[in-house]
Amino acid sequence: QVTLKESGPALVQPTQTLTLTCTFSGFSLSTSGMRVSWVRQPPGKALEWLGRIDWDDEKRYNTSLKTRLSISKDTSSDQVVLTMTNVEPLDTATYYCARSSGVGSTRDALDIWGQGTMVTVSS
Amino acid sequence: DIQMTQSPASLSASVGDRVTITCRAGQILSSYLHWYQQKPGKAPKLLVYAASSLQSGVPSRFSGSGSGTDFTLTISSLQPEDFATYFCQQSYRTPYTFGQGTKLEIK
Repeated sequence: QVTLKESGPALVQPTQTLTLTCTFSGFSLSTSGMRVSWVRQPPGKALEWLGRIDWDDEKRYNTSLKTRLSISKDTSSDQVVLTMTNVEPLDTATYYCARSSGVGSTRDALDIWGQGTMVTVSS
Repeated sequence: DIQMTQSPASLSASVGDRVTITCRAGQILSSYLHWYQQKPGKAPKLLVYAASSLQSGVPSRFSGSGSGTDFTLTISSLQPEDFATYFCQQSYRTPYTFGQGTKLEIK
């Protein structure tokens, strides 16, 4: 069974750095084609893709946020880490991690999602 | 970035109705288009991948169609548990982008 779970602070002060961890099981991020994405959703709004990291450590980011984002992985611990610098109240959202595969018929659909973690940016 | 335009933004329907949600992409996607269902307080759930393939465990009343830039999600006979918000998403090119969502409400 594939599962992912996000963890991190519920409250962050403006200008600080947010660090979120996605801990997964049931698959390996060293398997060819595997990918983990981060997606966020401000309250009552649409989903926004933040970025992804691939099995070969390739990384891709949201165009408007790429200067503030960094994604890394620890394959031995089955974890992916999202770092967002200089946060502001507009970054208040539920943050999700999700798995996809860049090979096969799913065309990279986000097939398994974590439950999400709500992050509030406020002083 | 590839813009995804989803319509309608909201839809009111009754149990048993057939409903269709549309997603238009700013460029040709081939079949790199997926549909998700999200209920309040829950994570999105993959319903349809690659435009028309039903994810395992998803009821057959859900179907997807389309290619190129225009895609549709159809629910053939609405059930009470289908009232939720639906999103389309393209994975043709990064950055991936989502539609703005369609909130399906009970009439």
